[in-house]
Amino acid sequence: ELKVEQNPLFLSMQEGKNYTIYCNYSTTSDRLYWYRQDPGKSLESLFVLLSNGAVKQEGRLMASLDTKARLSTLHITAAVHDLSATYFCAVDLAMDSNYQLIWGAGTKLIIKP
Amino acid sequence: NAGVMQNPRHLVRRRGQEARLRCSPMKGHSHVYWYRQLPEEGLKFMVYLQKENIIDESGMPKERFSAEFPKEGPSILRIQQVVRGDSAAYFCASSPTTGYGYTFGSGTRLTVV
Repeated sequence: ELKVEQNPLFLSMQEGKNYTIYCNYSTTSDRLYWYRQDPGKSLESLFVLLSNGAVKQEGRLMASLDTKARLSTLHITAAVHDLSATYFCAVDLAMDSNYQLIWGAGTKLIIKP
Repeated sequence: NAGVMQNPRHLVRRRGQEARLRCSPMKGHSHVYWYRQLPEEGLKFMVYLQKENIIDESGMPKERFSAEFPKEGPSILRIQQVVRGDSAAYFCASSPTTGYGYTFGSGTRLTVV
């Protein structure tokens, strides 16, 4: 059974600190997504990681993918309050096209001023 | 481009009634996916459709749930004889025929009373 596991599931941190969210998955996949969800809202695409060693950065967020270890990380640098949200990773089962996404349980991030 | 349009945003049904959730994909997208999200959880795949075809319904409950994506008009997720356990947020996503990437709608929050 394909599993996508995120940790931690809950993270409370102070502004200005750095932290990393981990996403492990149990099957071969070369495509991994990170999404952000604010309470009561839809999902906002943050990153699509397409190959081993892929690294993408947007502002204070940086995501990486290690397909051999089946591990992706989302690193937060010098956190600010606006980054408070729930972050999901999702793995695409298809190799060559879009198919279905298998989701982690989410990491609820609270950043205190 | 209006993005993925879901309606209604909120739906309240009494136990035993039917719920109909609609999803219009992004212009140019021919693939539609339905996901269910329970409170404080990640998304669970339900069904993947292309125009007039159900590609994968492995995540759909065997009874009471059905989905369609007709040649004309939106995709419909239909839940018959709703029960309290059906209360959740239902998200629709669409993707292009070629390439990768998913765009999510705002979701329909179903409450069964």
